[in-house]
Amino acid sequence: AQRVTQPEKLLSVFKGAPVELKCNYSYSGSPELFWYVQYSRQRLQLLLRHISRESIKGFTADLNKGETSFHLKKPFAQEEDSAMYYCALTGSARQLTFGSGTQLTVLP
Amino acid sequence: NAGVTQTPKFQVLKTGQSMTLQCAQDMNHEYMSWYRQDPGMGLRLIHYSVGAGITDQGEVPNGYNVSRSTTEDFPLRLLSAAPSQTSVYFCASSSGQAYSPLHFGNGTRLTVT
Repeated sequence: AQRVTQPEKLLSVFKGAPVELKCNYSYSGSPELFWYVQYSRQRLQLLLRHISRESIKGFTADLNKGETSFHLKKPFAQEEDSAMYYCALTGSARQLTFGSGTQLTVLP
Repeated sequence: NAGVTQTPKFQVLKTGQSMTLQCAQDMNHEYMSWYRQDPGMGLRLIHYSVGAGITDQGEVPNGYNVSRSTTEDFPLRLLSAAPSQTSVYFCASSSGQAYSPLHFGNGTRLTVT
């Protein structure tokens, strides 16, 4: 069975501070990992995915297979980054499994 | 671009009532799915479909039925609503290609009293 764990339900940082949202997964094969974001009053949308090796809005995420982690990082948080963030995993069955989410608040 | 459209946005039901949550997409996506979002539990997959005429159960299918008669539509039916089904429901679609991202609807907030 595939599982995604986001240990922090709430995370607050000050503007300009670094931020790291933690994500750990369990999957027996080679998963593909994603981060989705839901801004206030907007629909859930893809932020980034591991396979693209991309940086979106200053966020990056590195897959660590040894630690089975896919933490989301940004060196300097902005107020507009405040949102709910979901880590997600998909395997061979194409089903996407989500973590429980982390509500990020960036304080002025 | 409409993308994924869900109706209604809000619904209040009494225990035992039935209703259908509508979902339509105009992107010719093969894959469609329904999730429920509950506080502290993230999004859990209810049912999904990999193409017209094909549906399968997700993590929490009990109490819900789906059908996929066309590529565009993927309705979710609650045959006898229960308070435990109070939740926010999201429909999502993707092209079905490996690792393609999901496109979500705006959600339906359902309350069962």
